[in-house]
Amino acid sequence: EPEVTQTPSHQVTQMGQEVILRCVPISNHLYFYWYRQILGQKVEFLVSFYNNEISEKSEIFDDQFSVERPDGSNFTLKIRSTKLEDSAMYFCASSQTNTGELFFGEGSRLTVL
Amino acid sequence: AQRVTQPEKLLSVFKGAPVELKCNYSYSGSPELFWYVQYSRQRLQLLLRHISRESIKGFTADLNKGETSFHLKKPFAQEEDSAMYYCALGGPNTGNQFYFGTGTSLTVIP
Repeated sequence: EPEVTQTPSHQVTQMGQEVILRCVPISNHLYFYWYRQILGQKVEFLVSFYNNEISEKSEIFDDQFSVERPDGSNFTLKIRSTKLEDSAMYFCASSQTNTGELFFGEGSRLTVL
Repeated sequence: AQRVTQPEKLLSVFKGAPVELKCNYSYSGSPELFWYVQYSRQRLQLLLRHISRESIKGFTADLNKGETSFHLKKPFAQEEDSAMYYCALGGPNTGNQFYFGTGTSLTVIP
């Protein structure tokens, strides 16, 4: 069964460093998402992406964040200058439609020191 | 504003007992509601969605528009049901995003 895959599974970085989290969505899906979950808190929407552009983004997704789909298969989340409060589990998800089932990756745990 | 509320952060039941995980929502329009489950060390995965009206792993959930609720129920809890459960809201008026509740951690006591 096809799955969303994410790399790395865990990344530790120093505050102020750039981080890129990578995702390979399911191949015939058209909608892509990043969510994050700070330890002990709920899953929060960051951004959705469709037709090679951002379709929605939350207040969390400020100028430090960016997404791109550089090669038609990878979907990346970049954090330009990490802050301590960026420490969280970041989940990539994809779906065939914008109201259908979300398929999640296993997550990338980011620890900012 | 679209919002999902799961009032219980933690829920413990004995094996074989009935379980109900509560979810209330606010939404202007026709909502699409989902329950996602996250077992220990596994990814979030869809458990069920209201439009399919299925029973998955013995769980059911009925959309009650009058009470704006989508509670998840199972008549006889099993140890393997121990997990984190998230209610999620999607739909045409949510833009291109899903709203998740804060989650309920279910522990089934043997």
